[in-house]
Amino acid sequence: DAGVIQSPRHEVTEMGQEVTLRCKPISGHDYLFWYRQTMMRGLELLIYFNNNVPIDDSGMPEDRFSAKMPNASFSTLKIQPSEPRDSAVYFCASRTGYDEQYFGPGTRLTVT
Amino acid sequence: DQQVKQNSPSLSVQEGRISILNCDYTNSMFDYFLWYKKYPAEGPTFLISISSIKDKNEDGRFTVFLNKSAKHLSLHIVPSQPGDSAVYFCAAGYTGANSKLTFGKGITLSVRP
Repeated sequence: DAGVIQSPRHEVTEMGQEVTLRCKPISGHDYLFWYRQTMMRGLELLIYFNNNVPIDDSGMPEDRFSAKMPNASFSTLKIQPSEPRDSAVYFCASRTGYDEQYFGPGTRLTVT
Repeated sequence: DQQVKQNSPSLSVQEGRISILNCDYTNSMFDYFLWYKKYPAEGPTFLISISSIKDKNEDGRFTVFLNKSAKHLSLHIVPSQPGDSAVYFCAAGYTGANSKLTFGKGITLSVRP
């Protein structure tokens, strides 16, 4: 199995631009999670889906952030417009049932 | 509101010695706990877990201890090896439909050769 796939691995953009992060979960996993890692806040959950349906988006920091899961094998996290404080590493993770979560390699976002 | 706290940001240990990583939680509803390990430029990977019905779980060099009354858990690595140098995240969750994990900020472990 290829594991959780994220793209791009690195993204550098200017403030005000739209950023789209992509995730392909492990085949057969019915839960998908988006996390953000920063030095100050550690690893924080932004939103998660069960069977493509958003369950809890209480961690999404602002309306500038949105996430979609149009099918079982693809999800996006969009930031529009981006700001320097959005700079972080964004992880996608998936799991099935009550198993542990499997994380992707992350996308390092830098907003200048 | 940090429900899972890893108060020490870093730990340095000599190779061959024991590493003890601590974690505290505030939510008494949590009933299972996990440790994840993260190397630079990689995603976190699952290391070991423990259910609230147990107070100890062991897997090779790694042992997790749970003290429910103190809302405290710890990860022991014996003996520590240079390859153990990484960031360790403590996480807590509760069983049930649509459950999620709450992570601590992580501890950077450095094992000196």
